[in-house]
Amino acid sequence: GIQVEQSPPDLILQEGANSTLRCNFSDSVNNLQWFHQNPWGQLINLFYIPSGTKQNGRLSATTVATERYSLLYISSSQTTDSGVYFCRRTTDSWGKLQFGAGTQVVVTP
Amino acid sequence: ETGVTQSPTHLIKTRGQQVTLRCSSQSGHNTVSWYQQALGQGPQFIFQYYREEENGRGNFPPRFSGLQFPNYSSELNVNALELDDSALYLCASSLAGGPSYNEQFFGPGTRLTVL
Repeated sequence: GIQVEQSPPDLILQEGANSTLRCNFSDSVNNLQWFHQNPWGQLINLFYIPSGTKQNGRLSATTVATERYSLLYISSSQTTDSGVYFCRRTTDSWGKLQFGAGTQVVVTP
Repeated sequence: ETGVTQSPTHLIKTRGQQVTLRCSSQSGHNTVSWYQQALGQGPQFIFQYYREEENGRGNFPPRFSGLQFPNYSSELNVNALELDDSALYLCASSLAGGPSYNEQFFGPGTRLTVL
């Protein structure tokens, strides 16, 4: 079954709006990362966050490993925030790396 | 600090051919992972190399193979190409080995088209 689930699958925002993206995972996680994939396919690191909360400018993330979810917050969205946001985790000792299906974000002017 | 680089950027092959994709890891990193990303989907883990040995593999057939060199650069080889192998192939490097993996940094990808 699905082991890394992202929601919502699609999100349309007006510039300036805030949003929350969610990543649920079915079992334990060794580490978790959030990425932004730009239209050219480049995956850009946002956060490495196995637990706790981090902030970087208008973005912040929280992972609650005991409850098996992570959240990515986008505040005061800008058109440059458009793209696909992925969460990726590792689990077992061989580090099987799993991405979610992504959240497609479109920010309109 | 040099980031992750991949070559070539784009590649067109025909069914049944073989292809080699290359990746140079970020300086100081000793682990390289390869992913396949089909259009509209999330990246799928192919395998990972640490100190020149494969130490993790996803659900990909043996015709997907790899190498890691002493300078930690890596190759992904795909034999007997199929139409479904058309995808963006991503390489990521990190500084770790074993059960705990640190941050991964991705290259720009190689877009492979199989006709």
